[in-house]
Amino acid sequence: DGGITQSPKYLFRKEGQNVTLSCEQNLNHDAMYWYRQDPGQGLRLIYYSQIVNDFQKGDIAEGYSVSREKKESFPLTVTSAQKNPTAFYLCASSISSGGWEQFFGPGTRLTVL
Amino acid sequence: DAKTTQPNSMESNEEEPVHLPCNHSTISGTDYIHWYRQLPSQGPEYVIHGLTSNVNNRMASLAIAEDRKSSTLILHRATLRDAAVYYCILREDYGQNFVFGPGTRLSVLP
Repeated sequence: DGGITQSPKYLFRKEGQNVTLSCEQNLNHDAMYWYRQDPGQGLRLIYYSQIVNDFQKGDIAEGYSVSREKKESFPLTVTSAQKNPTAFYLCASSISSGGWEQFFGPGTRLTVL
Repeated sequence: DAKTTQPNSMESNEEEPVHLPCNHSTISGTDYIHWYRQLPSQGPEYVIHGLTSNVNNRMASLAIAEDRKSSTLILHRATLRDAAVYYCILREDYGQNFVFGPGTRLSVLP
């Protein structure tokens, strides 16, 4: 089955540690996205990538980094510079940056202790 | 960017129709109206989108006002599985990113 996988579903880290969230898709989509969601809020865009080896900052990129070395993978690193990293992180992809449908993964809930 | 306004929450009874409103008075002529929904502890999923004409698919219908300043997502028979947060989003056809506001939390009562 085609889709997007994110792992792990729950992640706990100590304050001051960097942590990398995985996102993989087998939909052959060019564009991929990372969003952050806080309780009771909508989604906010962290980073997006329109094509391999290229990515752009979204609205809240500070304290995060990404890479796009392969079409199917778009990992997100939450660095120690991110002041409030505890949140629900969602990865999505679309056939292109102009695609009208984004497909979302199940999300990773990160808790920093 | 044109913005949308949705009620924070709505309730419906099971097996009854649900009309979820969205106001977008500053919509431009090239903005498409998209609806996504997010079930608890899951990622959002696409529901429907349209430009000017009303649209129907297997999940829902989208009714767009003639002046395009508002739209309504219609679930014809609500089920318990339709309980979710529904997002109304404006986006130009190509290139822009989606902006997900707080949406409308729909509760379905048995």
